[in-house]
Amino acid sequence: DVKVTQSSRYLVKRTGEKVFLECVQDMDHENMFWYRQDPGLGLRLIYFSYDVKMKEKGDIPEGYSVSREKKERFSLILESASTNQTSMYLCASSFGTGSSYEQYFGPGTRLTVT
Amino acid sequence: AQSVSQHNHHVILSEAASLELGCNYSYGGTVNLFWYVQYPGQHLQLLLKYFSGDPLVKGIKGFEAEFIKSKFSFNLRKPSVQWSDTAEYFCAVTPLGWGKLQFGAGTQVVVTP
Repeated sequence: DVKVTQSSRYLVKRTGEKVFLECVQDMDHENMFWYRQDPGLGLRLIYFSYDVKMKEKGDIPEGYSVSREKKERFSLILESASTNQTSMYLCASSFGTGSSYEQYFGPGTRLTVT
Repeated sequence: AQSVSQHNHHVILSEAASLELGCNYSYGGTVNLFWYVQYPGQHLQLLLKYFSGDPLVKGIKGFEAEFIKSKFSFNLRKPSVQWSDTAEYFCAVTPLGWGKLQFGAGTQVVVTP
């Protein structure tokens, strides 16, 4: 079974702190994604990566950055956390071009910024 | 702007009732279509998907969906729901050749005993 793991299920941070969310997948997937999930808004794509050291902005990249130094690991960074970044963060991965694009999701990290 | 619309945000129904959740998208051309489900406290998982061929696709747990190209729709159905179908359901679309999914806002389904 494909497994996508995220470093924390729950996280509480203060405004202005730098926050790292880690995601690891074990299926040698080329593509990795970070979403935030908010009630009534569904999942919105923050950033994605289709290869090591490659990244592209999604629909809501402002206030976030990402890092992908190894194929299996994709990190989301909040440079200076703000209260409007309180949300559920989901990581996903999928095979690359020519595949079905089915995405496999991690359990999510519920981040609260106070 | 290209988008995915789910018609209902909340649905409440009794066990054994039939369920139909609407999904419409605005992309032109060929698309891949998905329904994902998120049970309480669990991660998002794939319910079913459509790429080509028979527009009626069957997924896990008795769910099916019908792709109607002329209506840009991909509606999810289950003839008889169970209490365990209580979950949030998301429709997602990706134009062919993309790796990104565009998700709808989700529909919260509550099945009462």
